[in-house]
Amino acid sequence: GQQVMQIPQYQHVQEGEDFTTYCNSSTTLSNIQWYKQRPGGHPVFLIQLVKSGEVKKQKRLTFQFGEAKKNSSLHITATQTTDVGTYFCAGNAGKSTFGDGTTLTVKP
Amino acid sequence: NAGVTQTPKFRILKIGQSMTLQCAQDMNHNYMYWYRQDPGMGLKLIYYSVGAGITDKGEVPNGYNVSRSTTEDFPLRLELAAPSQTSVYFCASRPYGTEYGYTFGSGTRLTVV
Repeated sequence: GQQVMQIPQYQHVQEGEDFTTYCNSSTTLSNIQWYKQRPGGHPVFLIQLVKSGEVKKQKRLTFQFGEAKKNSSLHITATQTTDVGTYFCAGNAGKSTFGDGTTLTVKP
Repeated sequence: NAGVTQTPKFRILKIGQSMTLQCAQDMNHNYMYWYRQDPGMGLKLIYYSVGAGITDKGEVPNGYNVSRSTTEDFPLRLELAAPSQTSVYFCASRPYGTEYGYTFGSGTRLTVV
């Protein structure tokens, strides 16, 4: 079956440093979605990427979809303490499969 | 607009007991889902529904049952609770069409002792 892997599992950064999480699928995806889950909270939809090579930005967050539509990345520039949480990708190849997430901690 | 409402928020069950986790959405979404999230892990799909009267198994359906008699409600039934079912359960919904993200409820934290 479809597998979606995210790396790294954990990332600790100093406030102001950049952060990147990567998502890799075993199959070609029709789209990929990104979610953020604050500690103790529920996942919240951030964005969806559909086109090969697509790049979208939300303030300090940059999302990319690979040319082969099998991988994606989320990059946060100049992290803030409000960025803490777990970031999940969900790859859709007929059905959506969530990765295990990358947990970001930010030291003030 | 309440979104996706889950009850209860917390529950402790004894081994062998049964319970129903409630999920209701007021957005007229066709698709509804149940996920479980174990500590430090991702979301595993238990069951899903594409509309009233239609349900299907996900990755980890054993020990659970669902029903979808209305568009709004999608309860999850646990029969003969086991410690392995200790987890956080999230219900989610989305409209028809792959361009929409999931809207999640706030979750039910279940402990089986």
